[in-house]
Amino acid sequence: GNSVTQMEGPVTLSEEAFLTINCTYTATGYPSLFWYVQYPGEGLQLLLKATKADDKGSNKGFEATYRKETTSFHLEKGSVQVSDSAVYFCALSESGANNLFFGTGTRLTVIP
Amino acid sequence: DVKVTQSSRYLVKRTGEKVFLECVQDMDHENMFWYRQDPGLGLRLIYFSYDVKMKEKGDIPEGYSVSREKKERFSLILESASTNQTSMYLCASSSLTESYNEQFFGPGTRLTVL
Repeated sequence: GNSVTQMEGPVTLSEEAFLTINCTYTATGYPSLFWYVQYPGEGLQLLLKATKADDKGSNKGFEATYRKETTSFHLEKGSVQVSDSAVYFCALSESGANNLFFGTGTRLTVIP
Repeated sequence: DVKVTQSSRYLVKRTGEKVFLECVQDMDHENMFWYRQDPGLGLRLIYFSYDVKMKEKGDIPEGYSVSREKKERFSLILESASTNQTSMYLCASSSLTESYNEQFFGPGTRLTVL
C-alpha cells in the first residue's frame, strides 16, 4: 500500500538556522511527491513537488530531492525565517490516482 | 487566482444535530475532496468525488455522507453529529487533466460538537 512517514515534531529553530524535515514513503508504483505548508489559520498550499526520481523541487528557498533508492523526499532550507513557522506535510500521489496520501505533519517554529 | 472556499471558518453544533459543510471551487476542477485534520494524525480522507453525482469513500467515511449536485460544489454532511467529529475539516479540488495531481485547499472549517 501507500504511506508517508515524516519526522515527528514539533521542531523549534532559531532564525537563520538550517532546516531538515525527513520524509520517507512506501508506494506500489511510481508516485509524485509533494510538500505542502499550512500557515496558522489557513488551509494547505503546495510548497514544492517532484514527479520522478532524481527531480529536485524548489520554492521560497526550500528544496527536496526525490530519492528512489532511499524512498525519501526530505525538505531542506539553508536559512529559516520567522515567517516560515508553519506545519509542513509530505504527501504522495500514485500515477493515475485521484487522491493524495499525507504524512502526519511537522510543526516548525522559528524564533528570532 | 484559484480559489476554494468553505462556508464557515468556525462552527459549533450540538450532539445529534445534522450538519452541512459546503465547499465551492472556481477552477472547473473535476475532483473534489473532504479531509479531516486532527493533531498527530495528519489529514485523513473522508470522501472524494471525481464527477457530478459521483462519490468514493475515503479512509474514514463512517458517520459522514456527501453530495455533489454541481461541478463546483461539494457538500459534507454529518447526519447526526457526535463529539468525536469535533475536528478541522478541509476541502480540496484538483484537475483530472494535470499529470501530477496538485490539490488546492480551502481555509478549513473548525467544527466543535458539544
